[in-house]
Amino acid sequence: NAGVTQTPKFQVLKTGQSMTLQCAQDMNHNSMYWYRQDPGMGLRLIYYSASEGTTDKGEVPNGYNVSRLNKREFSLRLESAAPSQTSVYFCASSEAVGSAGRHQPQHFGDGTRLSIL
Amino acid sequence: AQKITQTQPGMFVQEKEAVTLDCTYDTSDQSYGLFWYKQPSSGEMIFLIYQGSYDEQNATEGRYSLNFQKARKSANLVISASQLGDSAMYFCAMRGWNQGGKLIFGQGTELSVKP
Repeated sequence: NAGVTQTPKFQVLKTGQSMTLQCAQDMNHNSMYWYRQDPGMGLRLIYYSASEGTTDKGEVPNGYNVSRLNKREFSLRLESAAPSQTSVYFCASSEAVGSAGRHQPQHFGDGTRLSIL
Repeated sequence: AQKITQTQPGMFVQEKEAVTLDCTYDTSDQSYGLFWYKQPSSGEMIFLIYQGSYDEQNATEGRYSLNFQKARKSANLVISASQLGDSAMYFCAMRGWNQGGKLIFGQGTELSVKP
């Protein structure tokens, strides 16, 4: 019962370093999402992929890139990390967002706690 | 634009009592869904309950119920018979059916259950 798996769980970077956060789901979901969670602000959408082969910007995409590698995997890349990107990052997946999937919840990974010094 | 507002940063409730967590929303979409998630101190996001904008009855899942008042644009979560394990952050979220599946989250309410 893996669900959504995120790696790594913790990471410390120096300003200017790059890194890729990995996410994989085993629920055969079509849609995948990346969020960041900052204190007092809830979760904010960075990027999402409605289906394999497509990606779109969310609310806070600046400084990030994503790759939908295949149906299972959706990675998030920080090309040049900045202290403002210190946050907890969550990956999520859900059924397709057509009429059949509208009531389906998003399933979340356990998060990656990222600190940038 | 869509927006979720949770006006209670923190709440206390006595064990075994009921508690209501407030959520109001703003959207121009006619069709949308409302979700509540629980985030315990361990950090994971746990789905609790869903309400569709066209659902005529309030959703219920065990001890959780959603008090949906469409005209007032509110979707309050009611937890009956609170347990110590209910202590957590609770997030209200909305998804417009024409918004590509994206969830918009509120700021969250931290619930503490007292023994």
